Amino acid sequence: AQSVTQLDSQVPVFEEAPVELRCNYSSSVSVYLFWYVQYPNQGLQLLLKYLSGSTLVKGINGFEAEFNKSQTSFHLRKPSVHISDTAEYFCAVSGPSNFGNEKLTFGTGTRLTIIP
Amino acid sequence: EAQVTQNPRYLITVTGKKLTVTCSQNMNHEYMSWYRQDPGLGLRQIYYSMNVEVTDKGDVPEGYKVSRKEKRNFPLILESPSPNQTSLYFCASRTLGYGYTFGSGTRLTVV
Repeated sequence: AQSVTQLDSQVPVFEEAPVELRCNYSSSVSVYLFWYVQYPNQGLQLLLKYLSGSTLVKGINGFEAEFNKSQTSFHLRKPSVHISDTAEYFCAVSGPSNFGNEKLTFGTGTRLTIIP
Repeated sequence: EAQVTQNPRYLITVTGKKLTVTCSQNMNHEYMSWYRQDPGLGLRQIYYSMNVEVTDKGDVPEGYKVSRKEKRNFPLILESPSPNQTSLYFCASRTLGYGYTFGSGTRLTVV
């Protein structure tokens, strides 16, 4: 079984400061990793994903994440945040599984609040 | 435009009154899934479908039903809703390469 732990439920950050949102996963098989963003009263939007290849993944809106297999982590980073980055961020894991239900297993989310 | 469409966006109902939340995708995806989102719990899978007439339970299927008679549609049925099913529901579809697309969500309140 797969699981995802997002270590921080809330992260306040001053505008233009850097941010890191932490994500750790556990899985007995190879994994695919995702970060989604949910703006207030909206659905989920894919920020970036790691399927294979380079461990540093760049996504939309200036975000990037690094896959670290030895530490089973996939932390999300942005060097300079803006007010518009205020949202909830979800880390998710998927991968090969029995019966083909390659579902997304989500963490509990991190609410990022940007302070002007 | 490629999208997953859910209806309604908001729904308030009473305990025990059957309801259906519709989900439709226009991308010819084979895999579709329903999730519910609750504060502090993230998103949890309710049911999924690998293709037409192929459905199976996810992690929290109790109190829900689904059907997949056509490839594009995957409705979520609550035969007898209860207050603990008050939640935000998302439908998603997926293609090869793990391109999951989510609907805009349905906020359900059961009183």
